[in-house]
Amino acid sequence: AQSVTQLGSHVSVSEGALVLLRCNYSSSVPPYLFWYVQYPNQGLQLLLKYTSAATLVKGINGFEAEFKKSETSFHLTKPSAHMSDAAEYFCAVTRASGGSYIPTFGRGTSLIVHP
Amino acid sequence: DSGVTQTPKHLITATGQRVTLRCSPRSGDLSVYWYQQSLDQGLQFLIQYYNGEERAKGNILERFSAQQFPDLHSELNLSSLELGDSALYFCASSPMGTVNTEAFFGQGTRLTVV
Repeated sequence: AQSVTQLGSHVSVSEGALVLLRCNYSSSVPPYLFWYVQYPNQGLQLLLKYTSAATLVKGINGFEAEFKKSETSFHLTKPSAHMSDAAEYFCAVTRASGGSYIPTFGRGTSLIVHP
Repeated sequence: DSGVTQTPKHLITATGQRVTLRCSPRSGDLSVYWYQQSLDQGLQFLIQYYNGEERAKGNILERFSAQQFPDLHSELNLSSLELGDSALYFCASSPMGTVNTEAFFGQGTRLTVV
């Protein structure tokens, strides 16, 4: 069954530093993978998604993620953190269930950005 | 703005009571998902409806039920509420519920059971 694991419930970086949020997937078939962001008191919104067209996926707000089949990973990166990036980040995969596909989320990683 | 509307934004109710959460999906989206978000359980899938029919069930308690109406809006009914039901409840929608389409989330309903 498709699932994702996010390593690290909290990541703390200084403003201007590299952001790296880790996600590993478990799937017997090529997965469709997503990163979502949740700002305080808001719903989740899509950052980017991997659909096998390219292994390096660029998203909004300067984020990108690279699909690495050999490592079963889809880590999220941003070269330079900004204070406004402080949020909860979720890696997700669509999981087949009874003829439908369910977005299934990791536990989330809280990104803390220090001035 | 995702285009998904959830009401109410906040709800405070007593144990044993019943509440109804409402969701209007994005225009044209046929698939609606309900999720529960809590600190200890993360984001848990509850149930999916597609064009009025239940399509998939997740970790939904028997005290909870949902439906999707002909105009595609959906309601999540929570009954015999317990303190542990306090959480954020999200509705999300997608056009077809296919493998490669993302979900669009509402801002959630924060339920507090006292």
